[in-house]
Amino acid sequence: GAGVSQSPRYKVAKRGQDVALRCDPISGHVSLFWYQQALGQGPEFLTYFQNEAQLDKSGLPSDRFFAERPEGSVSTLKIQRTQQEDSAVYLCASSLVQRAYNEQFFGPGTRLTVL
Amino acid sequence: KNQVEQSPQSLIILEGKNCTLQCNYTVSPFSNLRWYKQDTGRGPVSLTIMTFSENTKSNGRYTATLDADTKQSSLHITASQLSDSASYICVVSPNAGNNRKLIWGLGTSLAVNP
Repeated sequence: GAGVSQSPRYKVAKRGQDVALRCDPISGHVSLFWYQQALGQGPEFLTYFQNEAQLDKSGLPSDRFFAERPEGSVSTLKIQRTQQEDSAVYLCASSLVQRAYNEQFFGPGTRLTVL
Repeated sequence: KNQVEQSPQSLIILEGKNCTLQCNYTVSPFSNLRWYKQDTGRGPVSLTIMTFSENTKSNGRYTATLDADTKQSSLHITASQLSDSASYICVVSPNAGNNRKLIWGLGTSLAVNP
């Protein structure tokens, strides 16, 4: 069965460039999460959607980061004017509903390198 | 401060051997604890999820234990295989109302050698 997919898998950007990262969650999953994972670290929560509503964006590190999920399925994480400290793996996860014991299914991530 | 600490940081074992990974947490309140396996270049995959009332849960050759009193968990891998080489991450959810503010450990990097 199809899992969570992300594209591109790898992105190299020059500092100052804008990037857009895509996440296709598992069909029917209501909840969608974005995480940032630096090398050797655990994932850090960025933002959360329930359907098309962005209910929590407290983890976005700056106003250069923007996420959307306009139709409640595919989501895009956009980073404007990229900086070197934005280099990380960006993980997307989805879960069927937003309950404490619901498993989050992760995509393979997009590795962003900012030169 | 909510923290999840794992040990050892890395581990090398021979194929077929057993191993045990440790997780200590200081997260409060506590809702559930998860173990994830993350292969290099892949997203984390859930192995087990345990609430405070569960003290053991198995998933194939993986067995997780939880002691909510001492705030410790372990992941035991039996008869290791080369494909078990990965990072194993302990994750604690503090909030019963949602699972989006997870506290992640740094993981144990396991290498299984032939």
